[in-house]
Order: sequence, then structure tokens, then C-alpha cells
Amino acid sequence: NAGVTQTPKFQVLKTGQSMTLQCAQDMNHEYMSWYRQDPGMGLRLIHYSVGAGITDQGEVPNGYNVSRSTTEDFPLRLLSAAPSQTSVYFCASSLDRRRQYFGPGTRLTVT
Amino acid sequence: AQKITQTQPGMFVQEKEAVTLDCTYDTSDQSYGLFWYKQPSSGEMIFLIYQGSYDEQNATEGRYSLNFQKARKSANLVISASQLGDSAMYFCAMREDPHSNYQLIWGAGTKLIIKP
Repeated sequence: NAGVTQTPKFQVLKTGQSMTLQCAQDMNHEYMSWYRQDPGMGLRLIHYSVGAGITDQGEVPNGYNVSRSTTEDFPLRLLSAAPSQTSVYFCASSLDRRRQYFGPGTRLTVT
Repeated sequence: AQKITQTQPGMFVQEKEAVTLDCTYDTSDQSYGLFWYKQPSSGEMIFLIYQGSYDEQNATEGRYSLNFQKARKSANLVISASQLGDSAMYFCAMREDPHSNYQLIWGAGTKLIIKP
């Protein structure tokens, strides 16, 4: 079991560029989510999915899109990168409500 | 209002001592869950312990225990016999039911440094 994997680990973008952060899990978890972590703060939920074909917004969804075509994959798209999106992004998955498994994170810098 | 409050931005503790990390929460739901995660300097989020609001016993996982005081809305993490490897950021988080499905609301964290 690889658990939750995220690519890339690091990324630098220029303002206005778009990109997709990849997230995959091999545990057959229905629930997946994306969080961002800014310095000195806890994680904030961007988007989440309760199963293939079902997504919803979290606390800070603006500037991000998601889709969930398979149980395994949950990519996060930045539409037009802004410096305010400089952050560490974590993907997580869960089978039940008692634990979420996190990926290693993607450190994104937007200049 | 903050839903999760961690009042200790940083703590220094001598190795082998027990340490208590504070967490208070705010919810009007009767059904909810409380979590603690550890984030070492390498950056990954490591699950430590979970407490459901209806669980009658305080949760324990090895050296970690959760001191759950429902009436006071507190869910403090206790680490017994601290080790140098316990130095990390510690986050308290809450899942509210039925609003959220599985969404977690996070505190700002406590930076724990274990002194040799």
C-alpha cells in the first residue's frame, strides 16, 4: 500500500499560470479532500469529495477546481495562480470518520 | 468565533517528562469527533489519536492519551514520558456531525520542543 501520494513535491509558478496538483490513494477510500496550510495556521479545507462524481466546496474554494472521476484520484486545479495561493497543499483520504490519512504535501510558491 | 483553540503557541519540556497540550472546542452539535495530529519538521501529518463525543472512555494510543472533558469542551493531549522525537507541531482538529460529513476544522497548533 502506497497510501496517499501527491505530486509534485515542490512547484514554482508565475502569477497567472495554471497547474494541476495530483493526488491518488490505493486504499479504496470514498472520502477525499484537499487542504492548504499557511504559515502559523492550521489546515483549511479547499474542496472535498464523498465518492466518484461527487465534489463540494470547503472553507476556501475560490481559485481552485476539482473533479473525481475515479475512487483513486482527486486532482486539484489552480486556474490562474496568484501569490495568495503560495502554501503547502495536503490531500487526505478517509474510510470512516475516525481517521484521515494525509499525503506528504506539495509546497507551492507563486511569484 | 474560533471553533478550535490551542492556547499554547509553543512549549519547552524536559525529556522524559509528561506533557499536556491544551485544546478547547466550540460546537453546538451533540455528535462530533476530536483528533490530534503531529507534524514534524519534515512536514507530513501524522495521526495520533481520536475521540468520539459519545465515547465513554478517554482514548489512548500508546504514549498518547486524550483527556476529554465534555462539559468543559476540552480535549487535551497527554504525552507520557516525552522523547526527543516528540518535538514537532501538534494540531487539534474537530469533525462536526451532521453538518460536515468528514470535514475537519483545525486549530493553529502548538510547537513542542523536547529538551535533552
